[in-house]
Amino acid sequence: GAGVSQTPSNKVTEKGKYVELRCDPISGHTALYWYRQSLGQGPEFLIYFQGTGAADDSGLPNDRFFAVRPEGSVSTLKIQRTERGDSAVYLCASSTSGLHTGELFFGEGSRLTVL
Amino acid sequence: AQSVTQPDIHITVSEGASLELRCNYSYGATPYLFWYVQSPGQGLQLLLKYFSGDTLVQGIKGFEAEFKRSQSSFNLRKPSVHWSDAAEYFCAAAGSNDYKLSFGAGTTVTVRA
Repeated sequence: GAGVSQTPSNKVTEKGKYVELRCDPISGHTALYWYRQSLGQGPEFLIYFQGTGAADDSGLPNDRFFAVRPEGSVSTLKIQRTERGDSAVYLCASSTSGLHTGELFFGEGSRLTVL
Repeated sequence: AQSVTQPDIHITVSEGASLELRCNYSYGATPYLFWYVQSPGQGLQLLLKYFSGDTLVQGIKGFEAEFKRSQSSFNLRKPSVHWSDAAEYFCAAAGSNDYKLSFGAGTTVTVRA
């Protein structure tokens, strides 16, 4: 597709379960970001990839959260032992070269609900 | 601490009327500034951005924003709104050496006929 694709669009899970959220960025975009948007809030930074490596994971809230991008394209955000407070929309964005020289293109997000 | 504040949670405007959304930032140095729009079922879309130079910035969909250093503000304006402008609007900022956007909490715009 032409834009950033995120799957699933909706995920409902039970407290304590493991969840994976997938992001397929625009082809050729080397920079990839994950953000989390809680109800009534603006998006909050989680992690930034440049190529295959996580250049900055300082926004990950704790060690239950982990993200990978093994081939420098698709990225997966992994959440272990989910908690109700993890419920949010998880947004992925990609860019050709980062924030200042390129535009960030956002996906529609994956809405996670933890019961 | 670096932050972006959008004082208005919700604004209702009549179709054809003008719109102004407020944004204030708190950064050590002038950051790069952005406005995004989020429509239902769609991803965040960049409306405009300010890095330096002319303080009045033109964007897509007829929007413009004015950077005022003295007020630490970057307010978004549109002279005449259309029903399709109903959406949530986010102001965002990033330091000149940063790659992370900091977003405000957003302003929801409702357009009445």
